Amino acid sequence: GAVVSQHPSWVICKSGTSVKIECRSLDFQATTMFWYRQFPKQSLMLMATSNEGSKATYEQGVEKDKFLINHASLTLSTLTVTSAHPEDSSFYICSASGTFNGYYEQYFGPGTRLTVT
Amino acid sequence: GDSVTQMEGPVTLSEEAFLTINCTYTATGYPSLFWYVQYPGEGLQLLLKATKADDKGSNKGFEATYRKETTSFHLEKGSVQVSDSAVYFCALAPGQFYFGTGTSLTVIP
Repeated sequence: GAVVSQHPSWVICKSGTSVKIECRSLDFQATTMFWYRQFPKQSLMLMATSNEGSKATYEQGVEKDKFLINHASLTLSTLTVTSAHPEDSSFYICSASGTFNGYYEQYFGPGTRLTVT
Repeated sequence: GDSVTQMEGPVTLSEEAFLTINCTYTATGYPSLFWYVQYPGEGLQLLLKATKADDKGSNKGFEATYRKETTSFHLEKGSVQVSDSAVYFCALAPGQFYFGTGTSLTVIP
C-alpha cells in the first residue's frame, strides 16, 4: 500500500524551543494532509487539515499560532510546535489523502513522539 | 454530527479465544467504516475496511460487517493470538476521519 513517513520518529526538546515534524507521502501525491494528536491511552484528536498551497484549517481549541502547519507541496507537510512546553508532549500522527493504485483513501504515518522537558 | 462509539476496554483473553469488539456509529450520510490497529509505540495500521452497507471487511483472520440497520461495525476474530495484543480503533470517514476511543486487547498464552 501507499507509504506515509514521518520524521523524526522521536524527539526530545527543551521547554521554550520549537520543533518541526515532517510528513511525507512517498509514492503518491497527497491533496490533503491531516495532523492528529494522541494522548497516552486515548484516541486520536484531529488538530488541523491542510490542502497543498493553502492555509490549514484548525479544529476548535487548537492554537494556530502555536502549531504551525505548512503544506508546501503535494508530498510534504510540516507541523512546527512553537515555544514548546511540557504539556505539548504527545504522539503526533499525520495522514495523507490521495490516490494510490486507483484507490483514493487516507494513509497514516507512523507517528512522532514529542517529549518536552 | 458524525461519531463512533466503541466498546471500552481493556479486554484480556486467552490465546485461541473468540474476540468481539463492538463499534456503533452515527452518521448523516453513507460513510466508509474502518478498523485500525496500533501496536505499542507505533502508528496506526489499517486492519480492514468496508465502504458500503453489507460489505464485509477481512484481514489476518479479523472481520467486520457494515450493518446499516444496526449502525454497527463489530470486529471479530475466531481465535486470537498473543501477537494480536494491541489497541484497536474503529473509525468512520465521510471524508474526515472520526475515531472511537480505542479498545486495548491483551492476549495471554
